Amino acid sequence: AQSVTQPDIHITVSEGASLELRCNYSYGATPYLFWYVQSPGQGLQLLLKYFSGDTLVQGIKGFEAEFKRSQSSFNLRKPSVHWSDAAEYFCAVGANFNKFYFGSGTKLNVKP
Amino acid sequence: EAGVAQSPRYKIIEKRQSVAFWCNPISGHATLYWYQQILGQGPKLLIQFQNNGVVDDSQLPKDRFSAERLKGVDSTLKIQPAKLEDSAVYLCASQPAGSTEAFFGQGTRLTVV
Repeated sequence: AQSVTQPDIHITVSEGASLELRCNYSYGATPYLFWYVQSPGQGLQLLLKYFSGDTLVQGIKGFEAEFKRSQSSFNLRKPSVHWSDAAEYFCAVGANFNKFYFGSGTKLNVKP
Repeated sequence: EAGVAQSPRYKIIEKRQSVAFWCNPISGHATLYWYQQILGQGPKLLIQFQNNGVVDDSQLPKDRFSAERLKGVDSTLKIQPAKLEDSAVYLCASQPAGSTEAFFGQGTRLTVV
């Protein structure tokens, strides 16, 4: 059965510091992987996605993620965090480009 | 381009009452989803429509939840009767055919007391 684990419930980083949010997935076939961001009171916005090709994918707002099949991971990174990045981040896995299974999310707090 | 519209934004009801949520997807989007997001959890798919047909409703509690998508456009999600554990944000999303991205509405926050 497909599942997504985001081990960190809350993360706090200082503005300007680097960020890595962890995501591990369980899926029987080649997964389609996504990262979404949710600001308070807002819907989810797609940051980036992976389905094939280069394992390092670039997204919006300066985010990137790396697919590592051997580790069943799809970690999200950003070299320098801005205060506006404070939000909740969700990793998701899908059989294709629909029917997504979401992780429980990581709340990011940014210290000034 | 207008986004996915949902109403109401907030709803408070007593247990055993009924409630309905409405979603207007982005024009032309063939696929529509309803997700339930309980506080502290990720969204969970309730039902997926392709045009006006149901593709997947395996996680919809059919004894109390129902959904329809008339004419393949707007959709309503109904809960009758509501339970305390139905308190959650209900997210609607739509996706154009062949696209890799689903677009989410702001959600309806339901509180059952």
